Formats: sequence, structure tokens, C-alpha cells
Amino acid sequence: DARVTQTPRHKVTEMGQEVTMRCQPILGHNTVFWYRQTMMQGLELLAYFRNRAPLDDSGMPKDRFSAEMPDATLATLKIQPSEPRDSAVYFCASGLAQGVTDTQYFGPGTRLTVL
Amino acid sequence: RKEVEQDPGPFNVPEGATVAFNCTYSNSASQSFFWYRQDCRKEPKLLMSVYSSGNEDGRFTAQLNRASQYISLLIRDSKLSDSATYLCVVNSHSGGYQKVTFGTGTKLQVIP
Repeated sequence: DARVTQTPRHKVTEMGQEVTMRCQPILGHNTVFWYRQTMMQGLELLAYFRNRAPLDDSGMPKDRFSAEMPDATLATLKIQPSEPRDSAVYFCASGLAQGVTDTQYFGPGTRLTVL
Repeated sequence: RKEVEQDPGPFNVPEGATVAFNCTYSNSASQSFFWYRQDCRKEPKLLMSVYSSGNEDGRFTAQLNRASQYISLLIRDSKLSDSATYLCVVNSHSGGYQKVTFGTGTKLQVIP
């Protein structure tokens, strides 16, 4: 049963520290999404990759966030420096883009707490 | 106006009841639609796609109304295990890539 994996599952850090979250998409999928979920804002799309190329990162604060796909099996989301308002659950999702029916499969998320 | 809007609920319904949720969207060029289910402290999971002709999967029926720009989810014979938050997703395609917008979700609580 293929699944998206994310590490770490939980991260507690202090303000100003760098945070790196990792995602392994389902083998064969060609799209990767990064989302942030909070109680107040719900699910927000941060970045979207297709075939490892970033296509949309308009939802991501550029000054402190960066997203990359060094290879087809790894996507990373980095926050530097982290701030308390970054506390949220960060989900990665992958999918296979086929026309207009692009479904996504979510990983279990990284629960980030910035003190 | 938000691009995708859902009534947050909660909808508290007894077991066996029928319940329906709507989700409205503002972009008339939206092309694909989905319902996801999210349990507390878990990731969203795909429940079903929504097709123009409507589709049914067991107790769940999804419909799309393009003229009024909304999608709906109907759950018949509610079970306790249906308690979750239901998220609608609206995709539009522009410039070769998709724009994905999630609703904030409707919380359903099925009570014994």
C-alpha cells in the first residue's frame, strides 16, 4: 500500500531556529504539494511541484520559507528563521497529474510548534 | 468573498439520518472537484471525485451544479464512523498548472 511519508512527525523548536521538513512522495507520482493547516486558516497551499519543477509557490512567505525537490523521491520545506506564527501542521501530498482529474494523497503531516 | 466556502457546522445528526453539505465556489472556470474527509489530528483522505453527472459510492452521493457553482455531498444512513470534517476541493487550471483550493471544512458529528 503506497503512501506518502513525512519526517519528522513532530517538531518543537525555538523561535529563530531553522526547521526542515521532508516528504517522500508515492513512487511514480509527478506532482507534490505542500500545505499548512491551522485552526484559523484551514488548509493553505504553500507550494506545488510538477516533475520536480516549482510551478506555484505564491502561497508561501518568500522571506523565510523555501521548498525544493532535489530528486523525484524527496521534497523539502525549510523555514529559516522560524517564528511562533509558523506553528501548524504541514502536510505534503503527491499525485499523478492526468488532465483535469488530479487527485492528491496526503502524508501524515509534520506538527510544528515554534516556541 | 472566499474562493471556496463551506458551512463549518458542526452538524449533529443521529445515527441513521441523512445529511447533506454544500460547498460553493467563485471561479466559474473551475474544472475538477473533490470531497475529502479528515479525521481529528489526521491527514485529509480522498472520499470521492465529483462529476458533472453526479456520482454515488455506497451511502455517499456527490453532485455538481455548475450553473449555481456549488457541489454537494449527501450521506445516507449515517454511521458513528462518519463523524469527521468534510473538505471540498476545487481545482482550476491556468497556464499549464493547477490551482488547488480547499474549503475550510464542515464538521459532522453523528450521535448514537
